[in-house]
Amino acid sequence: GENVEQHPSTLSVQEGDSAVIKCTYSDSASNYFPWYKQELGKGPQLIIDIRSNVGEKKDQRIAVTLNKTAKHFSLHITETQPEDSAVYFCAASYNYGQNFVFGPGTRLSVLP
Amino acid sequence: DAGITQSPRYKITETGRQVTLMCHQTWSHSYMFWYRQDLGHGLRLIYYSAAADITDKGEVPDGYVVSRSKTENFPLTLESATRSQTSVYFCASRPYNSPLHFGNGTRLTVT
Repeated sequence: GENVEQHPSTLSVQEGDSAVIKCTYSDSASNYFPWYKQELGKGPQLIIDIRSNVGEKKDQRIAVTLNKTAKHFSLHITETQPEDSAVYFCAASYNYGQNFVFGPGTRLSVLP
Repeated sequence: DAGITQSPRYKITETGRQVTLMCHQTWSHSYMFWYRQDLGHGLRLIYYSAAADITDKGEVPDGYVVSRSKTENFPLTLESATRSQTSVYFCASRPYNSPLHFGNGTRLTVT
């Protein structure tokens, strides 16, 4: 079955700097890769996603890149702000599927 | 997320007791899911449902029971709670070919 690894487990950056979180997946059949942000006491919220027919997708300060050959995808946050502090999860699935396999999460702290 | 409600938000129960976690969604999404979240494991799928009266096991189903008699509700029952079931439980839903929407979770402690 699919296995998703995520690094780093914790990340601290200064406000205004960029943050990068990386994930690798094992199943070459996976073709949908969402990223979720979880704030304290809340459920994960989708922030961006990418399908395997696209190499990069941007939404304001957030971007996701996908390397199908290497089976890894990354979340890039530019000009970080304190409200970006949260736990971020990557996931992989086949055609949305019945089972999104999630990475273990990255705790991002943006220091003022 | 306003469209999916979990209750209770917090629950403390004793080992061996039966406990039911409730999940209600107002979107009429076909698919509903139960995940548990534990440190170092991320989110693991317990059970899912593709429609009313259709359920199937996920990665970690042992010790749990689900039902889905109505599209909008997907309760999760721990028949005889164990300490290893102490966790944060998230319900999620999605329409066909769309991303997951999560509730705000239930923190369950089994003493």
